[in-house]
Amino acid sequence: DTEVTQTPKHLVMGMTNKKSLKCEQHMGHRAMYWYKQKAKKPPELMFVYSYEKLSINESVPSRFSPECPNSSLLNLHLHALQPEDSALYLCASTTTGEDTQYFGPGTRLTVL
Amino acid sequence: SQQGEEDPQALSIQEGENATMNCSYKTSINNLQWYRQNSGRGLVHLILIRSNEREKHSGRLRVTLDTSKKSSSLLITASRAADTASYFCVLPRAGGFKTIFGAGTRLFVKA
Repeated sequence: DTEVTQTPKHLVMGMTNKKSLKCEQHMGHRAMYWYKQKAKKPPELMFVYSYEKLSINESVPSRFSPECPNSSLLNLHLHALQPEDSALYLCASTTTGEDTQYFGPGTRLTVL
Repeated sequence: SQQGEEDPQALSIQEGENATMNCSYKTSINNLQWYRQNSGRGLVHLILIRSNEREKHSGRLRVTLDTSKKSSSLLITASRAADTASYFCVLPRAGGFKTIFGAGTRLFVKA
């Protein structure tokens, strides 16, 4: 199984809502990533978890809160987002020490 | 900061033609990757080339790496409409777990 799954595929939320994005992989990868991608731009790294611990936070605003409950799951909790946070949110995973990333299909988020 | 600069930004060709896109970077790297993104299959890893390799093939893809010029190229031979996508070169960053995507080349293959 070389698949990374993400739910939901689409999400529309208001600025006062709280929602969560979910990512799952069963490849035994111990590093998981969140990226944000705006239209016609490359993905930008947000967070990296390694062995369920937060390794990298690329100065992301606190209205984005990542969580790694176990080695297969990665969540991104959203609260009080702004319209400019509307984007495609991509999850990826790798084996530690390997650079090749496996990406999920993404969640397209719209903040009204 | 390190980021791949890709050239051209956009490319439109006929089916059957070859497509070449280039990536230049500033600081030494130990590997470079190419990824493809289209609406159908999302973001997919194509090929990884290490700094001690000069050329690598995968099907219709040929990647070269010139560390002296700090540049890489991706050649797609006999292109198909299904190759229509954005292609990104991706560089590693110091400290591990960090990868930086170039701005990408948008390829359009006309049937």
